[in-house]
Amino acid sequence: QKEVEQNSGPLSVPEGAIASLNCTYSDRGSQSFFWYRQYSGKSPELIMSIYSNGDKEDGRFTAQLNKASQYVSLLIRDSQPSDSATYLCAVKVNTGNQFYFGTGTSLTVIP
Amino acid sequence: DAGVIQSPRHEVTEMGQEVTLRCKPISGHNSLFWYRQTMMRGLELLIYFNNNVPIDDSGMPEDRFSAKMPNASFSTLKIQPSEPRDSAVYFCASSPTTALSYNEQFFGPGTRLTVL
Repeated sequence: QKEVEQNSGPLSVPEGAIASLNCTYSDRGSQSFFWYRQYSGKSPELIMSIYSNGDKEDGRFTAQLNKASQYVSLLIRDSQPSDSATYLCAVKVNTGNQFYFGTGTSLTVIP
Repeated sequence: DAGVIQSPRHEVTEMGQEVTLRCKPISGHNSLFWYRQTMMRGLELLIYFNNNVPIDDSGMPEDRFSAKMPNASFSTLKIQPSEPRDSAVYFCASSPTTALSYNEQFFGPGTRLTVL
């Protein structure tokens, strides 16, 4: 079983809609969770981090964490074509300092 | 502030040649990570350093790969000899690891390596 799993997509949403991206992880002791955005040909860019159960909002982005279900999600409200990218979920396990990355979900926002 | 700096940005070499990739982490960050990204395998951690010391190199694919961090502001990833299957984008990332930080990693622009 992979440490971090994401639906590879592709996920397509119309402009202005809410895009919902999901991620599950296997290490119950994981403490830190991150969402990265990666445009084609570019490097991953950190957009959200979350450490406590519940929701964390930053502009149009909301990260949701449920440690009991080992589930973290990213909601993008009022999706824009510029949000079209691959979104990577990363989890920092309890021991060591490394992240485990999911394989990413490809999002396309259709104008 | 400058982000993570990597060089070269693109490298094309022939099979059997030595390749050296370079990374300068963000000033003040004391953890450094080398990743490889391919379409087939996604983003894979190769090795990471904490305070210039290699902590986990279990992701290094084989002995042809080696990494060093001689000081807090410089690291190299070397492949010798290179093979076509090493073709990928190699990313360097750095992270602050103080008790007050949450260990967010920041990525460099990557080096796109093509081995012919």
